[in-house]
Amino acid sequence: GENVEQHPSTLSVQEGDSAVIKCTYSDSASNYFPWYKQELGKRPQLIIDIRSNVGEKKDQRIAVTLNKTAKHFSLHITETQPEDSAVYFCAASAGAQKLVFGQGTRLTINP
Amino acid sequence: KAGVTQTPRYLIKTRGQQVTLSCSPISGHRSVSWYQQTPGQGLQFLFEYFSETQRNKGNFPGRFSGRQFSNSRSEMNVSTLELGDSALYLCASSQGGAPYEQYFGPGTRLTVT
Repeated sequence: GENVEQHPSTLSVQEGDSAVIKCTYSDSASNYFPWYKQELGKRPQLIIDIRSNVGEKKDQRIAVTLNKTAKHFSLHITETQPEDSAVYFCAASAGAQKLVFGQGTRLTINP
Repeated sequence: KAGVTQTPRYLIKTRGQQVTLSCSPISGHRSVSWYQQTPGQGLQFLFEYFSETQRNKGNFPGRFSGRQFSNSRSEMNVSTLELGDSALYLCASSQGGAPYEQYFGPGTRLTVT
């Protein structure tokens, strides 16, 4: 079945620097790749997503890139702020509502 | 629009009991998916319902079941609870089709003792 690997598991960056989280997926039929942010004790919040017909998508300080050939997709956060501290999950879907999630990355922004 | 709601928010049960969790999707959304979140296994897909029919199922034992009503509200049931069923159970609401954005509810924290 589909498998999604996410790296790193923890990431610490200085406020104002950039953060990059990477995911790989196994099912070549996957065509939808969302990213979720989960703060402590809260629900996962959809922050950005990308579909397989697009190579890159940007929303203010957040961008996602997709390399279908290599089965890689990445989340880029620029000009990080303390409120960006959270656990980030990548996920992949092969044409259905079933999302397969990565194991998560705990991002800490140091002031 | 109101967001996804789940009830109850917290639940404590004893091994061997059964439990029913409820999820009300965003108005107009017809798909409800259920996920289990644990520190060890992360977020795992349980099943998805669309127009009262189960469309997808994850790799969980038959003790985990669900249903969806005509108003799109969904319930999941876990019978013969085990200690390992302790988790945060999240439902996600979507317009349906494939694939659309999924929006999560606050979750039900289930503790099995």
